[in-house]
Amino acid sequence: DGGITQSPKYLFRKEGQNVTLSCEQNLNHDAMYWYRQDPGQGLRLIYYSQIVNDFQKGDIAEGYSVSREKKESFPLTVTSAQKNPTAFYLCASSMGQAPYQETQYFGPGTRLLVL
Amino acid sequence: GNSVTQMEGPVTLSEEAFLTINCTYTATGYPSLFWYVQYPGEGLQLLLKATKADDKGSNKGFEATYRKETTSFHLEKGSVQVSDSAVYFCALTLSGSARQLTFGSGTQLTVLP
Repeated sequence: DGGITQSPKYLFRKEGQNVTLSCEQNLNHDAMYWYRQDPGQGLRLIYYSQIVNDFQKGDIAEGYSVSREKKESFPLTVTSAQKNPTAFYLCASSMGQAPYQETQYFGPGTRLLVL
Repeated sequence: GNSVTQMEGPVTLSEEAFLTINCTYTATGYPSLFWYVQYPGEGLQLLLKATKADDKGSNKGFEATYRKETTSFHLEKGSVQVSDSAVYFCALTLSGSARQLTFGSGTQLTVLP
């Protein structure tokens, strides 16, 4: 079955620690995205990548970093510089090819909690 | 800038009631419009979409019509079920290289038996 997987489902971070959230897709999609969701709010874009080895900042990139070394993988690192990391993190992907297929498909999410 | 405004929740209905969740948007161009649904503890699932004015998206008994004149994309269902209880998000994306989604804040729907 094709889809997007995120791991782990729950992640705990200690003060001053960097943690990495995994996102893998086997949909052969070019574009991938990371969103943050806070309780009672919509989703906000952290980073996105349209092709391998390229990515851009979204609306709330401070305190986060990403890499896109492989088409199917787009890991997100929450650094110690992110002072309020507790949230639900969602990864998404889309075909991203012209004529642009803009529908984004989402993974099941990772809930990050600070100890 | 681009933005999406949804009616505030929570919305509580009895089973078989009629559902409307209002969504209006502001966009600099001609957006594509989406409704996503999020069940508790899960990611978002695409419910329906419309890519141009007067298009009607439909899925699982839900419908929404792209109204350019009122910049709206209201979600409707004639008879809700308990299993429809979830958070519903309206979103838009614009032509361009990034195709970023702009989301509304979400509307919590609870359907009581």
